[in-house]
Amino acid sequence: QVQLVQSGAEVKKPGASVKVSCKASGYIFTSNAMHWVRQAPGQSLEWMGWINAGNGNTKYSQKFQGRVTITRDTSASTAYMELSSLRSEDTAVYYCARRGTGTNYWTIDYWGQGTLVTVSS
Amino acid sequence: QSVLTQPPSVSGAPGQRVTISCTGSSSNIGAGYDVQWYQQLPGTAPKLLISGNSNRPSGVPDRFSGSKSGTSASLAITGLQAEDEADYYCQSYDNSLSGNWVFGGGTKVTVL
Repeated sequence: QVQLVQSGAEVKKPGASVKVSCKASGYIFTSNAMHWVRQAPGQSLEWMGWINAGNGNTKYSQKFQGRVTITRDTSASTAYMELSSLRSEDTAVYYCARRGTGTNYWTIDYWGQGTLVTVSS
Repeated sequence: QSVLTQPPSVSGAPGQRVTISCTGSSSNIGAGYDVQWYQQLPGTAPKLLISGNSNRPSGVPDRFSGSKSGTSASLAITGLQAEDEADYYCQSYDNSLSGNWVFGGGTKVTVL
């Protein structure tokens, strides 16, 4: 069965960077793109970007352009999201989420368990 | 302010039918992009409920149904059950601003 297992919670100071990992199993990692979506406390979901796990191409939300970097390691079936210049407003749960294929191209069909990132001085 | 607009909350008694609207624009739902719906139980990750406007993934009860018309979409829950109490989010794609995947603001469903 498809599983996306994320790294543990992080506490960071303002101005620092954080890197969250997402290990995929149960499918061919390079067959699906991987999104990153965040959710601030009590707020809605916010799309950050995605990576084509096959060729490494990325697409980022304009809101995060220049601060976010999404990468992958195909040998480890793992995707990474790094967010820099952290500020308190970046405190949120960060999710990796698999994009569907074919007729489900616009669908996010599986989600990781989430990683809480807390930014505090 | 989310690109897709949902009511903040809806409620209903067990067994009743509730609907959640998701209103977009000509650059997302109205442009023909599919709408998906996700259910998020308290303290858990979202789970896919409806894909491609109206398709239920395997394992999703047929009490849940989706539809789309023009620049809007709807999720209906019939025979409301206590376990349906959760947050629900619609999602689509927006072709403005170089293209973003967009979500609604979320709707809290309360079972009275």
